[in-house]
Amino acid sequence: LAKTTQPISMDSYEGQEVNITCSHNNIATNDYITWYQQFPSQGPRFIIQGYKTKVTNEVASLFIPADRKSSTLSLPRVSLSDTAVYYCLVGDRVSGSARQLTFGSGTQLTVLP
Amino acid sequence: DTAVSQTPKYLVTQMGNDKSIKCEQNLGHDTMYWYKQDSKKFLKIMFSYNNKELIINETVPNRFSPKSPDKAHLNLHINSLELGDSAVYFCASSPNILTGNTGELFFGEGSRLTVL
Repeated sequence: LAKTTQPISMDSYEGQEVNITCSHNNIATNDYITWYQQFPSQGPRFIIQGYKTKVTNEVASLFIPADRKSSTLSLPRVSLSDTAVYYCLVGDRVSGSARQLTFGSGTQLTVLP
Repeated sequence: DTAVSQTPKYLVTQMGNDKSIKCEQNLGHDTMYWYKQDSKKFLKIMFSYNNKELIINETVPNRFSPKSPDKAHLNLHINSLELGDSAVYFCASSPNILTGNTGELFFGEGSRLTVL
């Protein structure tokens, strides 16, 4: 099981770039890295997924080093509405394993004005 | 259109009662899930169904019984409610966990259960 470790909380200011790092030292060859965002009173929402190097979409970028033992979610120019909990999830994309579908405690990002 | 919808959104009940939470998805997905989120924000999977078949059944008390009448619906029935059952329960779906899951789970908005 590729257990993940993230900072419990982070603060940032509007307009700054925010980088949240997730450690997953025991990541397996078939594992992908997926990030979710959760606002209060809502379910988590998919942000981005990657396997190696860099992935970018309209919301964020995901940087994965060659050894894949960590990953960094990068949010460009955050706004107050980006205040949320961010979860890193590591697992095989095809899975019957509950362990690969269990989220950690996430990182509470607070964006300040 | 809400992709994954669950009812009720809030549920307050007494210990010992039986309650149900319903979930429906209109995404055409084959796989549905129930998650429990505790006060520390951990999201723990409880059950998963793929095309109405139970494929993941975590260490959950027998008081919790899921039912999937068809692949678009997954309900959760809880008997003899206890204080520790208070949490937010999330339903989710994905294309097909066993063959082609993209890794993206689509979650409902959650059902907050409070047991008094």
